[in-house]
Amino acid sequence: DAEITQSPRHKITETGRQVTLACHQTWNHNNMFWYRQDLGHGLRLIHYSYGVQDTNKGEVSDGYSVSRSNTEDLPLTLESAASSQTSVYFCASSNPGAQETQYFGPGTRLLVL
Amino acid sequence: RKEVEQDPGPFNVPEGATVAFNCTYSNSASQSFFWYRQDCRKEPKLLMSVYSSGNEDGRFTAQLNRASQYISLLIRDSKLSDSATYLCVATRGGSNYQLIWGAGTKLIIKP
Repeated sequence: DAEITQSPRHKITETGRQVTLACHQTWNHNNMFWYRQDLGHGLRLIHYSYGVQDTNKGEVSDGYSVSRSNTEDLPLTLESAASSQTSVYFCASSNPGAQETQYFGPGTRLLVL
Repeated sequence: RKEVEQDPGPFNVPEGATVAFNCTYSNSASQSFFWYRQDCRKEPKLLMSVYSSGNEDGRFTAQLNRASQYISLLIRDSKLSDSATYLCVATRGGSNYQLIWGAGTKLIIKP
């Protein structure tokens, strides 16, 4: 069955370290998204991609970067982790089309000390 | 003002009751709307899309009012398994691929 996976599921790191969160989907979807979810906020878009070699900034992109070298993967990198980046991170994918659904990975819980 | 606003709840509802949530959105250019369900510490999952004419899926009914810019979700004959957080979602104007998320309404169904 097609799926979307994230790794690691839990991560503890220290301020200033570089961290990469992996996202892999086997749906063959063109669109991929990274969100963060914090208490009191809806999911907030960090970065997104509409296809290989395409990346775009979302509403909370500062301190994060992504790259899209193939259809299946969109890794999210925290260049220099900050305590404000402690959050739950969700990756999602979808295919272009009207009313298309976004399918989510199980999430990564990141704690920055 | 948040682009998509929801009452955070929690709504404490006895099993078998009917419960309704509303959600308002600020961007009149939003074209598509959805309700997602999120269980504690899990990923969001699509519950249903919301169409202008309203739509029903079993015990769930969604309505869209473009003039007043609100979306509603009605759950009839609520089950214990309906306990979750319900997320209201709108597409960003000009882009059907980007979604704007409400912070969610927490529903607790009590036996």
